[in-house]
Amino acid sequence: DAGVIQSPRHEVTEMGQEVTLRCKLISGHNSLFWYRQTMMRGLELLIYFNNNVPIDDSGMPEDRFSAKMPNASFSTLKIQPSEPRDSAVYFCASSSSRASVFGSGTRLTVV
Amino acid sequence: GENVEQHPSTLSVQEGDSAVIKCTYSDSASNYFPWYKQELGKGPQLIIDIRSNVGEKKDQRIAVTLNKTAKHFSLHITETQPEDSAVYFCAAPGGYSGGGADGLTFGKGTHLIIQP
Repeated sequence: DAGVIQSPRHEVTEMGQEVTLRCKLISGHNSLFWYRQTMMRGLELLIYFNNNVPIDDSGMPEDRFSAKMPNASFSTLKIQPSEPRDSAVYFCASSSSRASVFGSGTRLTVV
Repeated sequence: GENVEQHPSTLSVQEGDSAVIKCTYSDSASNYFPWYKQELGKGPQLIIDIRSNVGEKKDQRIAVTLNKTAKHFSLHITETQPEDSAVYFCAAPGGYSGGGADGLTFGKGTHLIIQP
């Protein structure tokens, strides 16, 4: 199993542009989580899905952030329009029970 | 929601000595407590977890203890080695509803430095 796969690994974009982060779950996992990691705030849960259904998006910072799960194995996190304060490492993680497996993250820099 | 406090933020120990990292949580309903290790440029990796029906769990040089009454849990690493140097995070379920796996609330992390 290749694990949780995130793309791109690095993204540099200009303020105001749309950014889409992608995540492929581990086969058989039915829960999907998006986290954001910054030096100031640490690891924060943004949103999570169980069986493709969004369960809690209270961690999503603003309406500029949206996440989808079009099928059981894939998810996207979109930021539109992006702002410099969105710069962070974004992780997705998947789970079939309690233990979550993390991807390698996408380092986003908004200039 | 859940609040997880972790300390110390930095811990430096001599190679071969033991390291202990402590966390407290606020939600008495939490029943699952994982520990993650994060190396530079990588995602967090689960190293050990404990459920609330046990007080201690051990896996080779790593052990976790849980005190439900006091709402704290600790990570113990014995005979530390250079490859143990990393950032360690504790976590607890965030109290989110919906069944299945729960989103995690993480501590702020401990940077463990193993001195040769």
